[in-house]
Amino acid sequence: QVQLVESGGRLVKPGGSLRLSCAASGFTFSDYYMGWIRQAPGKGLEWFSYISTSGSTMYYADSVKGRFTISRDNAKNSLYLQMNSLRAEDTAVYYCARVRGSYALGYWGQGTLVTVSS
Amino acid sequence: QSALTQPPSASGSPGQSVTISCTGTSSDVGGYNYVSWYQQHPGKAPKLMIYEVSKRPSGVPDRFSGSKSGNTASLTVSGLQAEDEADYYCSSYANSDNVVFGGGSQLTVL
Repeated sequence: QVQLVESGGRLVKPGGSLRLSCAASGFTFSDYYMGWIRQAPGKGLEWFSYISTSGSTMYYADSVKGRFTISRDNAKNSLYLQMNSLRAEDTAVYYCARVRGSYALGYWGQGTLVTVSS
Repeated sequence: QSALTQPPSASGSPGQSVTISCTGTSSDVGGYNYVSWYQQHPGKAPKLMIYEVSKRPSGVPDRFSGSKSGNTASLTVSGLQAEDEADYYCSSYANSDNVVFGGGSQLTVL
C-alpha cells in the first residue's frame, strides 16, 4: 500500500534552516509528481510547492519562493524540502503528498511539525 | 484570507444530506474542472474525497458527490453518518500553475 512518511520537523529559531524528508513506498515513486502542503495550527491548508517526476520542474508559492527548495531522489524514493530563512509564520505541520492528475493530492503522509520560535 | 470561500460550518442529522459550497472566480473554480475536496479528521492527514469536480477515488463511498456551477463548486454528503463529522476543504487549480484552497468547513453530525 502507498506510504509516505515525513521526518525532520523540530523547533528552530527565526532565520534558521531545516531540511524535511519524505520516504515513499508502495508505488513507483518516479512516476508521480510530488508536493509539499502545510497547515498552520488551527488554520487551513496551503499547497506551496510541487515537483515533476524527473525533478526538472518545480513550483513555489510566493510565500516560500526564494527561501524553500523542493527536490527528489528517485533512486531513494525520497522527497525533500530545504527551508531557509525561516519565519514565525512558517510554523505548521508539513505534509508530503502524491499528486494525481488534475492537481489533486491522492495520498498524504502523516505530517511533521515545524515550529519557528526564539 | 483564503482564495476560495467556504462556509465555516455545516450540520445535519444522521441520514440527512448536507451541501458545502466553495466559491471562487473565473480564474480558478469557474475556469477549470480541477476542483478537489478533502476530508480531515482532527489530528489526521487530509483524505481526497472528490477530484475533477465530481469523480470519486476508489474506496470513497458514493454518499459523497461533487458538482460545479459557474464559479461555485459543491460537495454533497448524503445519508449522513457519525464518521462524516470532520473538516472539509475544497481546492482548485488556478492560473500560473497555482492550486488554491478554501478555508475549510467544519461538518457536524447532530
